[in-house]
Amino acid sequence: ETGVTQTPRHLVMGMTNKKSLKCEQHLGHNAMYWYKQSAKKPLELMFVYSLEERVENNSVPSRFSPECPNSSHLFLHLHTLQPEDSALYLCASSQDSGTSTDTQYFGPGTRLTVL
Amino acid sequence: GNSVTQMEGPVTLSEEAFLTINCTYTATGYPSLFWYVQYPGEGLQLLLKATKADDKGSNKGFEATYRKETTSFHLEKGSVQVSDSAVYFCALRGDETSGSRLTFGEGTQLTVNP
Repeated sequence: ETGVTQTPRHLVMGMTNKKSLKCEQHLGHNAMYWYKQSAKKPLELMFVYSLEERVENNSVPSRFSPECPNSSHLFLHLHTLQPEDSALYLCASSQDSGTSTDTQYFGPGTRLTVL
Repeated sequence: GNSVTQMEGPVTLSEEAFLTINCTYTATGYPSLFWYVQYPGEGLQLLLKATKADDKGSNKGFEATYRKETTSFHLEKGSVQVSDSAVYFCALRGDETSGSRLTFGEGTQLTVNP
């Protein structure tokens, strides 16, 4: 499955570093999503973009800053993270963000470790 | 609000055994239902979906039927293989009144031994 790609696949960073996660979708979709997957916890929806506008922001700390420059690209900028932010960060895309039949397709994820 | 409950894992089976992973949901309106699979070290892959009552989704030998009367979407496979070892997530997407949120169950770890 190469419809949604994410880079890097693995990232180790210190708490004072600034890094960015990148997601690109090749499916012609209009909506993109960031999720956080931590061990022993359900998937957490972080941000939703529809046609490059943020439509949902689920009480995510400001040390996570999303950017959606166009409908094919989504970034997650990271700064001054905490060790508890270590997780698998998943990007997804879908055709439209408002209908129940809309199907989300996921990328392979970025495994983030904060030291 | 919407919610999804999956049977607790982990589930361990021998190759060629029959698999059932239970999933029940709570939702208003007419949701769509999904099963996703996550292989070790990878992201989530869509396995199958059903968008209305009595629909059956199927893929790679897996099946699930949307049962509105029992609010269930149980995943089944007649003969599992070692390569089916993964984590399986049941998910629900509500209608327009529920917004864009895809609600996931907690996942069920399946291990298939040769």
